[in-house]
Amino acid sequence: GAGVSQSPSNKVTEKGKDVELRCDPISGHTALYWYRQSLGQGLEFLIYFQGNSAPDKSGLPSDRFSAERTGGSVSTLTIQRTQQEDSAVYLCASSSDGWTLHFGNGTRLTVT
Amino acid sequence: DQQVKQNSPSLSVQEGRISILNCDYTNSMFDYFLWYKKYPAEGPTFLISISSIKDKNEDGRFTVFLNKSAKHLSLHIVPSQPGDSAVYFCAARRGSNYKLTFGKGTLLTVNP
Repeated sequence: GAGVSQSPSNKVTEKGKDVELRCDPISGHTALYWYRQSLGQGLEFLIYFQGNSAPDKSGLPSDRFSAERTGGSVSTLTIQRTQQEDSAVYLCASSSDGWTLHFGNGTRLTVT
Repeated sequence: DQQVKQNSPSLSVQEGRISILNCDYTNSMFDYFLWYKKYPAEGPTFLISISSIKDKNEDGRFTVFLNKSAKHLSLHIVPSQPGDSAVYFCAARRGSNYKLTFGKGTLLTVNP
């Protein structure tokens, strides 16, 4: 079956612009995660959605970052007024059991 | 404050030999550990896991060892194959907490 799909695969934007990153999780997976990997770093937790519960936003680095998940499926991560330090690979993952995460291929964001 | 540490950024081994990847953690509340493998331009994929009630878990060529007293785990790959060349991430979680905390990864290169 289809895996986690992320779009775009690459995004280059100018400092100060807003960007939206999209994630289509595996059908039926109730849990959805966003992580990011900056150069030379591990995967940094950003946000977690589980069913209809309030999302855990504790990993979002600033109020310029926000995410939503519509209809319990597709999720969008929005970064407003992008900064150069936002450059990273943004990874989305979904899970059916909250234990094993299935990752997408990520969106490589470059802020110039 | 890095709770999961992979102190070797890279490791190179010959095909057919054993690869040993190490991981240390500081949070004694972690009770479930996972290894993920990542190829370039792809998302991480789940490899193997171990619960803190065990000290060893084996799956084919892959074995994970857990030493709780030392807060140390290792992944053994025997025999190593060129296709195993990838970045390996160690991850940990605590109880029912759904967040995975990742290390920075170790780049394994298996030479033919």
